[in-house]
Amino acid sequence: DVKVTQSSRYLVKRTGEKVFLECVQDMDHENMFWYRQDPGLGLRLIYFSYDVKMKEKGDIPEGYSVSREKKERFSLILESASTNQTSMYLCASSSVTRVSYEQYFGPGTRLTVT
Amino acid sequence: DQQVKQNSPSLSVQEGRISILNCDYTNSMFDYFLWYKKYPAEGPTFLISISSIKDKNEDGRFTVFLNKSAKHLSLHIVPSQPGDSAVYFCAASLSYNTDKLIFGTGTRLQVFP
Repeated sequence: DVKVTQSSRYLVKRTGEKVFLECVQDMDHENMFWYRQDPGLGLRLIYFSYDVKMKEKGDIPEGYSVSREKKERFSLILESASTNQTSMYLCASSSVTRVSYEQYFGPGTRLTVT
Repeated sequence: DQQVKQNSPSLSVQEGRISILNCDYTNSMFDYFLWYKKYPAEGPTFLISISSIKDKNEDGRFTVFLNKSAKHLSLHIVPSQPGDSAVYFCAASLSYNTDKLIFGTGTRLQVFP
């Protein structure tokens, strides 16, 4: 059974704090993604990685950075959290040898920045 | 610029009836489309997909229709069940960049008894 886990389900941080969101997948997938979900805006891609130490900006990378030191782990970093980064953060992974283009998602982290 | 649009933010359907969720896209280079379902406080889960070489794909109660000339796809759920109440996202993949998915804004489906 495929599994993507995220380090926290709920997180409350103060403005200006550095925030780390961790994601781990056990499917040996090459691709990993970070999205945020906001009402009326759907899922928007922040960053993705197609290999260890490789990263590519998505549609809304400003204010975020990422790290992928191991194949199974992809971290999202908010260098200085702001209130407009309050959102649901979703991690996903996919395989380049897939039969379909399906991405597998973790349960999400609800981040509140006060 | 929203390349994948779900113009109905919500839909309410009676149990047993058909639910039709719609999705429009603007980029003719999309060649693969997926539907995801998302419950509150959970990650999206894959539901059904369709390649651009087809116009219909069916899986149990779920059928996806693709109209390439209209750049429109729809998800039909028959019969609708209360457990189908969730947010549904359509997503599209570009032929030249198949690793990324472009998601729509979502439609919240409520199935009432």
